[in-house]
Amino acid sequence: DTGVSQDPRHKITKRGQNVTFRCDPISEHNRLYWYRQTLGQGPEFLTYFQNEAQLEKSRLLSDRFSAERPKGSFSTLEIQRTEQGDSAMYLCASSPASLAGGNEQFFGPGTRLTVL
Amino acid sequence: DAKTTQPNSMESNEEEPVHLPCNHSTISGTDYIHWYRQLPSQGPEYVIHGLTSNVNNRMASLAIAEDRKSSTLILHRATLRDAAVYYCILRDDAPSGTYKYIFGTGTRLKVLA
Repeated sequence: DTGVSQDPRHKITKRGQNVTFRCDPISEHNRLYWYRQTLGQGPEFLTYFQNEAQLEKSRLLSDRFSAERPKGSFSTLEIQRTEQGDSAMYLCASSPASLAGGNEQFFGPGTRLTVL
Repeated sequence: DAKTTQPNSMESNEEEPVHLPCNHSTISGTDYIHWYRQLPSQGPEYVIHGLTSNVNNRMASLAIAEDRKSSTLILHRATLRDAAVYYCILRDDAPSGTYKYIFGTGTRLKVLA
């Protein structure tokens, strides 16, 4: 399967702990996105990379959140000092360099985080 | 904030056509209309997109109003596997944009056997 993969699929942690999620995009896709989805809501944009450069961050991404894409391939999303409000599905998506209107995003299966 | 309005839920009988409406009255000239769907416990998947003209692909058809303030996703023969949340999204494809998606809450489609 050459789709977007995410690891782990599920994570349960205690409040105050740090967690890190990994996303492996489709190879040759230079754009990578992170979204967060809570129950009953659509995904919310968190941040975007073009190659290794982080070009946009949502206001939702507080100082406790950090994302990296060091070699322009896989990406990690770290949440420090987790809070119960961080419980959500974290989705990663990738796309090739965009042509106008095209180049849809391919989403991974997500990492479901539960903060106790 | 989401720039589209969709009904919260719809029902359809299996093997009948389904028309999923979307209003986007504030659409701008560089906004493309994208549709994604999300099956239970999966990430969203691309369905179709368009700018001005109606579009067809193997999954669905997209009918865009002449003034572009609304659109309709058409599933020609609904199957049980089409039960999902369908999102209508405007994506600003201006050169300075990041091509991110702003999702709303979507339409939950239930298909009845």
